[in-house]
Amino acid sequence: NAGVTQTPKFRVLKTGQSMTLLCAQDMNHEYMYWYRQDPGMGLRLIHYSVGEGTTAKGEVPDGYNVSRLKKQNFLLGLESAAPSQTSVYFCASSPTGARTNTGELFFGEGSRLTVL
Amino acid sequence: LAKTTQPISMDSYEGQEVNITCSHNNIATNDYITWYQQFPSQGPRFIIQGYKTKVTNEVASLFIPADRKSSTLSLPRVSLSDTAVYYCLVGCYGNNRLAFGKGNQVVVIP
Repeated sequence: NAGVTQTPKFRVLKTGQSMTLLCAQDMNHEYMYWYRQDPGMGLRLIHYSVGEGTTAKGEVPDGYNVSRLKKQNFLLGLESAAPSQTSVYFCASSPTGARTNTGELFFGEGSRLTVL
Repeated sequence: LAKTTQPISMDSYEGQEVNITCSHNNIATNDYITWYQQFPSQGPRFIIQGYKTKVTNEVASLFIPADRKSSTLSLPRVSLSDTAVYYCLVGCYGNNRLAFGKGNQVVVIP
């Protein structure tokens, strides 16, 4: 069981280039999330999805787009990368958002993105 | 989003019990309190979750006072491998917008 898999794990971009980070989960989870982590900032939520075909903005959505065409995949896109988007990106999934469920978040190992 | 405040860092000797505090003064009625552990170059990992009073599992205990405006994660007899950043989260999974704070860097010293 792979859990949550992120690709690529490392990427270097030039300012203005575009790229897509892929998150795949094999746990049949409904909810998926993209976070970014910067030194001293903890994790900040970029976008999230509560099910296939749905997406919503988190705390820091500007400069990013997402898509959830298939339940198991959540894509994070940067249309025109900027140095401020240099960060470590984490994807997570959870089985449900119901109060009766622990709602445990399962994280991938992260994708380190550098924008020059 | 309910905000949390944690000490930035703390040190502890191997074998001691470590208590990590978190303040969440604006916690809502529906909010749960969840703690995660993160090692360098890894994603956070769920430790424990609670709503009120005390919760215990094989890894840690979570103490929540009656007013729920704070919580304490207790790690019994820490080892060097417990050196990590510990995050306290407050939120209702029904709104799917859990906010991570900056975390507490715990360093276990031999």
